[in-house]
Amino acid sequence: ETGVTQTPRHLVMGMTNKKSLKCEQHLGHNAMYWYKQSAKKPLELMFVYNFKEQTENNSVPSRFSPECPNSSHLFLHLHTLQPEDSALYLCASTTAGAYNSPLHFGNGTRLTVT
Amino acid sequence: AQTVTQSQPEMSVQEAETVTLSCTYDTSENNYYLFWYKQPPSRQMILVIRQEAYKQQNATENRFSVNFQKAAKSFSLKISDSQLGDTAMYFCAFMKHGIQETSGSRLTFGEGTQLTVNP
Repeated sequence: ETGVTQTPRHLVMGMTNKKSLKCEQHLGHNAMYWYKQSAKKPLELMFVYNFKEQTENNSVPSRFSPECPNSSHLFLHLHTLQPEDSALYLCASTTAGAYNSPLHFGNGTRLTVT
Repeated sequence: AQTVTQSQPEMSVQEAETVTLSCTYDTSENNYYLFWYKQPPSRQMILVIRQEAYKQQNATENRFSVNFQKAAKSFSLKISDSQLGDTAMYFCAFMKHGIQETSGSRLTFGEGTQLTVNP
């Protein structure tokens, strides 16, 4: 049990599909993140939510749409994706404002866009 | 902006031996944190060890220790008595001090080093 759960584990979708990634944390954290992990590249921060409010959008294309209904849940809605969007999408959480609070990651969703 | 560089895409080590993974970073900040994360085949990123830049003493966590050279902006990870379960991708990461107060941890990662421990 990681404390941060991501579903689905794998997702294959066409460029015209609409799908959503889900992340849930049971750690009592108040900040949640989406990261994109592509092969041979550093992890890229996509979005940051702090107390359900989006505090950072790291120049992510609008075909990625995040949603944070409460501090425990985070979604990433996907539509009209491109093949280069194929990657591992990682969710993470932490306690904002707490000294030295590390990030806790989920197991990721492996996304393949065909 | 901060950058983190891991110059070793792949490394291998024999079980029970010691291996060192290198990491360098570039920043104009004086106060910051450095981390090593491990990502095994399960894909979950697991925090291995962290270092506060204001601390001169190198962090240690059981078989894992770091060699933090602030002036050289170097932060290497030493794994002693390597075990098969240490096989994973290892990421070095940087975080500015104080950012947690506004939006929580905001890490800048390196490209990673794939470590294979051979029996």
